[in-house]
Amino acid sequence: QKEVEQNSGPLSVPEGAIASLNCTYSDRGSQSFFWYRQYSGKSPELIMSIYSNGDKEDGRFTAQLNKASQYVSLLIRDSQPSDSATYLCAVKFLSGNTGKLIFGQGTTLQVKP
Amino acid sequence: DTAVSQTPKYLVTQMGNDKSIKCEQNLGHDTMYWYKQDSKKFLKIMFSYNNKELIINETVPNRFSPKSPDKAHLNLHINSLELGDSAVYFCASSQDKGRAPYNEQFFGPGTRLTVL
Repeated sequence: QKEVEQNSGPLSVPEGAIASLNCTYSDRGSQSFFWYRQYSGKSPELIMSIYSNGDKEDGRFTAQLNKASQYVSLLIRDSQPSDSATYLCAVKFLSGNTGKLIFGQGTTLQVKP
Repeated sequence: DTAVSQTPKYLVTQMGNDKSIKCEQNLGHDTMYWYKQDSKKFLKIMFSYNNKELIINETVPNRFSPKSPDKAHLNLHINSLELGDSAVYFCASSQDKGRAPYNEQFFGPGTRLTVL
């Protein structure tokens, strides 16, 4: 059973702080990892993808991947109230000649002004 | 321009009815997906089509039947609706079958299905 696990939260941080969201996955062979943001009542929106060990930065967002520990995280610097949403970690698992995304249950982030 | 669109946005129906949801993408992608998101926000893949061919079929009741008339369209028909079918159904698309590491999926706005 391919699994992706996240702490459902809520994670509450003050405005301007760093929010740290974590995700673990079960398949050591996974190669592709994604972070989606989902506002209440809206669809998931891709915000970061990461494929190699280490850090990948994009604006206020940094994705971190550690394949040995089967761990991927998302850091949000200078958190804003508009960052309040559910963050979904997704891992691609390969099956035959296709791949499918398995999502974690999501972490709800609350940024307090 | 809307990249992935779904209709209807909301669907309220009685148990036992049959209903369909439609999805269209104008991204030129080869692969489309159906996901179900339950009340706990857990997003789970149901089906995937690549160029009209079914390539992923998860453990889904056979009351759910996807159909892809062409690679830009993917519909979902649900027979004999049950209370447990109430959820938000998302369509998504990606460039290829999904084996490539850089395959990113883009989601439609969702269809909120409520079965009474």
